[in-house]
Amino acid sequence: AQKITQTQPGMFVQEKEAVTLDCTYDTSDQSYGLFWYKQPSSGEMIFLIYQGSYDEQNATEGRYSLNFQKARKSANLVISASQLGDSAMYFCAIASGNTGKLIFGQGTTLQVKP
Amino acid sequence: NAGVMQNPRHLVRRRGQEARLRCSPMKGHSHVYWYRQLPEEGLKFMVYLQKENIIDESGMPKERFSAEFPKEGPSILRIQQVVRGDSAAYFCASSPPGTRQETQYFGPGTRLLVL
Repeated sequence: AQKITQTQPGMFVQEKEAVTLDCTYDTSDQSYGLFWYKQPSSGEMIFLIYQGSYDEQNATEGRYSLNFQKARKSANLVISASQLGDSAMYFCAIASGNTGKLIFGQGTTLQVKP
Repeated sequence: NAGVMQNPRHLVRRRGQEARLRCSPMKGHSHVYWYRQLPEEGLKFMVYLQKENIIDESGMPKERFSAEFPKEGPSILRIQQVVRGDSAAYFCASSPPGTRQETQYFGPGTRLLVL
């Protein structure tokens, strides 16, 4: 069965600094996708970044990058130049099985300090 | 280009009543997923539908819950005889036809409160 583990319940970062949110996964699939979503206090789920298991390059989207280490089964999210608006819950997820359903981790709450 | 739409955004029901949650996917998207988020937890998969077909309902409770995605109109998640434990945020997500790893885009969610 697929599983996502996020070991950091809460993180603090100073504004304008970079922060890494950890995510490890477990899957028996050869082909899979890894996703990060942001959930601000307003509650919506915002897609941030995607990494395919066969992608050789780490994914990047603006200030977001994904540090993908396939052998270690980790897919950490790096946010550069943190902004106050980055304060939110962040979820890592894996697309599972033949249906693409997402398996989510428990999330990490990030607080950006001014 | 409208995103995934869900209504109502908030729904209050008394125990034993029925709750109907609606989801309109993004234009061009034919895959719909429903997830449930209990307070302070991550999202849990419930059901995956394509037009007129339930593809995977492995996350749906066996009783009281049902889902449909008709040929015309929104996808509906229906909860009969609600209980307090059904109080949660219910999210719908849609993705375009293609590989199973297409990005899913989420609606704003429906917050269900059962009194």
